[in-house]
Amino acid sequence: DIQMTQSPSSLSASVGDRVTIACRASQRISSYLNWYQQKPGKAPELLIYAASTLQTGVPSRFSGGGSGTDFTLTISSLQPEDFATYYCQQSYSTPTWTFGQGTMVDI
Amino acid sequence: QVQLQESGPGLVKPSETLSLTCTVSGGSINNYHWTWIRQPPGKGLEWIGYISYSGNTNYNPSLKSRVTISVDTSKNQFSLKVSSVTAADTAVYYCARARDWVSYWYLDTWGRGTLVSVSS
Repeated sequence: DIQMTQSPSSLSASVGDRVTIACRASQRISSYLNWYQQKPGKAPELLIYAASTLQTGVPSRFSGGGSGTDFTLTISSLQPEDFATYYCQQSYSTPTWTFGQGTMVDI
Repeated sequence: QVQLQESGPGLVKPSETLSLTCTVSGGSINNYHWTWIRQPPGKGLEWIGYISYSGNTNYNPSLKSRVTISVDTSKNQFSLKVSSVTAADTAVYYCARARDWVSYWYLDTWGRGTLVSVSS
């Protein structure tokens, strides 16, 4: 199985900060990497797919990059509604489309 | 727009079978993969498996011996069964739609989730 490791596990930031979350795959996965945002008590929501393609309706302050084994999610200017947990997920290898362990972004 | 809704018992006894259904509304079940994901309280997301509209399945190897996912296209529903449950199967269970863009698969629509507790 491909393992996905996110760093950091949590971070504290302020409104307006630039925030970057890293995700590393245990083997090369090309650009088969997605990012989701989850707020407490809610289902995850898709932010970015194929490593860098912004899902329709997602604000442009979110961006994704990387390929192979190393990926990043960047929030260019953190907004109050962005405080949440973020997950990466690989869809390169079936049968298991593994998730990272999550990164909590709080104030 | 497509909406997904999970339904099923919120409490299951140890050693019994957990059964959930996801109803797809506002769109067809055809031409997508349909997935189940779970999240134990306070923990991260765990992939369970998926089924294509034509019935092909893929399961997480760690759960494969206990999991069955099926689809009923006539009802626009797909279902999950997990047998021989223990307390470790207590989680919020999500159904989600998987779609692809030039073979890049992603989960673009999720149900709200349903909490299933395993307890006697």
